[in-house]
Amino acid sequence: GQQVMQIPQYQHVQEGEDFTTYCNSSTTLSNIQWYKQRPGGHPVFLIQLVKSGEVKKQKRLTFQFGEAKKNSSLHITATQTTDVGTYFCAALGSSNTGKLIFGQGTTLQVKP
Amino acid sequence: GAVVSQHPSRVICKSGTSVKIECRSLDFQATTMFWYRQFPKKSLMLMATSNEGSKATYEQGVEKDKFLINHASLTLSTLTVTSAHPEDSSFYICSANPSSGRLNEQFFGPGTRLTVL
Repeated sequence: GQQVMQIPQYQHVQEGEDFTTYCNSSTTLSNIQWYKQRPGGHPVFLIQLVKSGEVKKQKRLTFQFGEAKKNSSLHITATQTTDVGTYFCAALGSSNTGKLIFGQGTTLQVKP
Repeated sequence: GAVVSQHPSRVICKSGTSVKIECRSLDFQATTMFWYRQFPKKSLMLMATSNEGSKATYEQGVEKDKFLINHASLTLSTLTVTSAHPEDSSFYICSANPSSGRLNEQFFGPGTRLTVL
């Protein structure tokens, strides 16, 4: 079935350092979404990318969608302790039912 | 933003009992809701798509007789874990997408942590 691979699984950074997580798919994606899950919490929608080569920014977060629409990245500039959590990419399943296929997630730890 | 609630937030039960989890969209209608299962430090695994007024669509490997889903109204879906066993212990999360279809964004409930003794 359709899969979305996400790396790295874990990332420990010093506060102020940058962080990037990557998602890859073997098939072309119609769109890609990013979610953040804080420890003990539930996933919260961050953004959706639809267009080839699209780049969107939310303050210190930069989201990119590859030209071939098979990969995406989330980059956080100058991490803060509030950025701690697990970041998931998710792609719409091919069945057009609205279901999402989640990547494995990248858990970010930020040392103050 | 849209709000999805889940009840209960935490449940501990004995092996062999059945547990019902409710998922409600509080300020929007959802013809479709989704049920996920998440193991510690793992990703969300889609279990089934709950369709209002019709049968749920289960993902491969998910037993429909084990995990009963009922979506009786546009704001409520229930997941019943029947004859629960310790291996069913997990974090169950539902999500819903407003019928207005804004950007396909899914809103997640706070989750239900099930522990089967």
